[in-house]
Amino acid sequence: ETGVTQSPTHLIKTRGQQVTLRCSSQSGHNTVSWYQQALGQGPQFIFQYYREEENGRGNFPPRFSGLQFPNYSSELNVNALELDDSALYLCASSSRLSITDTQYFGPGTRLTVL
Amino acid sequence: GDSVTQMEGPVTLSEEAFLTINCTYTATGYPSLFWYVQYPGEGLQLLLKATKADDKGSNKGFEATYRKETTSFHLEKGSVQVSDSAVYFCALANTGNQFYFGTGTSLTVIP
Repeated sequence: ETGVTQSPTHLIKTRGQQVTLRCSSQSGHNTVSWYQQALGQGPQFIFQYYREEENGRGNFPPRFSGLQFPNYSSELNVNALELDDSALYLCASSSRLSITDTQYFGPGTRLTVL
Repeated sequence: GDSVTQMEGPVTLSEEAFLTINCTYTATGYPSLFWYVQYPGEGLQLLLKATKADDKGSNKGFEATYRKETTSFHLEKGSVQVSDSAVYFCALANTGNQFYFGTGTSLTVIP
């Protein structure tokens, strides 16, 4: 069974640019969530996708957007990057749309905005 | 809005000591509650969970009980080991499919 993978591992961008982060869910999982984790903080929920539809969203502006593909891989897009967007971005997949379900986390993408 | 508040660290204990990490939450409805752990150099992984009031989650000697009356989900272990050194996160999932994590508590166990 393949776990959750994310790419790239590290990324450096400048303010105002756009970035796309990628996530491959664990085999058999149809639900994916994205989180932002600033240094020394807990993960903050960005949004969740279930069967290619956004199904829940945290307190993030519209310049954070996502996609989920038929094979359940996923992208997080961030437009007009700001310095405060520098963080570790985590994706997590689960096997069904249920708040009782366990989420399996990827290793994260470290984004630095200069 | 919904939130999770957990005990600030860092926490340093001697091997075989008793561990408690406090976690309280604010949520409408009936959330599910989780403890996740991040070992050094590894990703977040589920430690235990409880999905309704009075449920007790347990794993690897750790336990936590979902207390609706006190809105708490404290993590406990009777005898910690050096290998338990990690960062522990309390989290909730609410009925609106939103997820909230605490800020994390760093635990170091010394021999």
